[in-house]
Amino acid sequence: DSGVTQTPKHLITATGQRVTLRCSPRSGDLSVYWYQQSLDQGLQFLIQYYNGEERAKGNILERFSAQQFPDLHSELNLSSLELGDSALYFCASSVDGGISLRGANVLTFGAGSRLTVL
Amino acid sequence: DQQVKQNSPSLSVQEGRISILNCDYTNSMFDYFLWYKKYPAEGPTFLISISSIKDKNEDGRFTVFLNKSAKHLSLHIVPSQPGDSAVYFCAASGDYGGSQGNLIFGKGTKLSVKP
Repeated sequence: DSGVTQTPKHLITATGQRVTLRCSPRSGDLSVYWYQQSLDQGLQFLIQYYNGEERAKGNILERFSAQQFPDLHSELNLSSLELGDSALYFCASSVDGGISLRGANVLTFGAGSRLTVL
Repeated sequence: DQQVKQNSPSLSVQEGRISILNCDYTNSMFDYFLWYKKYPAEGPTFLISISSIKDKNEDGRFTVFLNKSAKHLSLHIVPSQPGDSAVYFCAASGDYGGSQGNLIFGKGTKLSVKP
């Protein structure tokens, strides 16, 4: 158990629908990251939050949005779903989001949420 | 534009031998490189990292080598064990373009260690 909790583990939905993925970071970690892993692809960075504020944005579609709440948990909202959105969505957390620049910013990952869009 | 590349999708080695996983990168602003291991149905787990100012870092059976001039790094596993069978991801981070802290990943190499 990495300490990063993601729900749900599996989700099957239809095109055009909207889903919300939830992530609780490891205790003490202030920064949350969302990554998408599609078939035969590496982990694509979507977005990062640090202590409730958006810190960095990657290749996140406009149909997707995220937020980090005061208790530091995060939600990734995916709307107007398309077949191509089927993927594993990983949440990760780190202590300070790389701000301290002391050593590598090691991310701790959750087990992922597998989204299937039919 | 893939900034971190793992050109070998798979690698098979015999138990007890050395496994060498390779990774190339294009962005000279990266300051740390990390390796993650991923088993099926689990999230990636951190294995080892190296600073861009070093050329080698060792942790038990795992050693990472960095060649900055060639923009190339490699992970050596000696001796390889069947439990090492997993997908290995190379990742890089650096303070560039506002992306401080987040990791850029390669596509991964699936390692199979045969008993």
